[in-house]
Amino acid sequence: RKEVEQDPGPFNVPEGATVAFNCTYSNSASQSFFWYRQDCRKEPKLLMSVYSSGNEDGRFTAQLNRASQYISLLIRDSKLSDSATYLCVVNRGTGFQKLVFGTGTRLLVSP
Amino acid sequence: GAGVSQSPSNKVTEKGKDVELRCDPISGHTALYWYRQSLGQGLEFLIYFQGNSAPDKSGLPSDRFSAERTGGSVSTLTIQRTQQEDSAVYLCASSVNRRDLNTEAFFGQGTRLTVV
Repeated sequence: RKEVEQDPGPFNVPEGATVAFNCTYSNSASQSFFWYRQDCRKEPKLLMSVYSSGNEDGRFTAQLNRASQYISLLIRDSKLSDSATYLCVVNRGTGFQKLVFGTGTRLLVSP
Repeated sequence: GAGVSQSPSNKVTEKGKDVELRCDPISGHTALYWYRQSLGQGLEFLIYFQGNSAPDKSGLPSDRFSAERTGGSVSTLTIQRTQQEDSAVYLCASSVNRRDLNTEAFFGQGTRLTVV
């Protein structure tokens, strides 16, 4: 079983739709969580950190469920420019941090 | 300020040759990661360096792959006797990596390796 698992998609949604991705992690000692975005043929870049209380950044909302060991990303009012691959990232915790990346969920927003 | 720098950006090599890929992390970043991404696939972890600790090599796919990090800064990933299945984009990332921080990893733009 992979340490961080994501549905690869693709998720095909029309502009304006709301879409949600989940990610599960297996290491209960994990301390920090992130969502990264990767555009086609580009390097991944941080989209947002995920805090225990949940956090929002404009149209993006991230939530953490430690009991069930999953993280979610909600995108409201999807834009064409949101089309990308969204990577779930988990820090293993306990001492120095090693970031573990999921393989990503691909989102395609169409007109 | 400079980000993570990787060189070369593109490399075409003949099967069986050795290649070296270079990564210059952000100054002061103690953690350095190498990943590999094949076309249309996710990131495959290769190796992780943290300060002066022994590297985590658990992701290296075979003994043809090795990496070193000199002086806690620049890293070189070496692939010996390259095979066509080694063709991929090799991504390097670095982070501050402290216990008390939600550390962001910054990626270089990658080296696109093509083995012909």
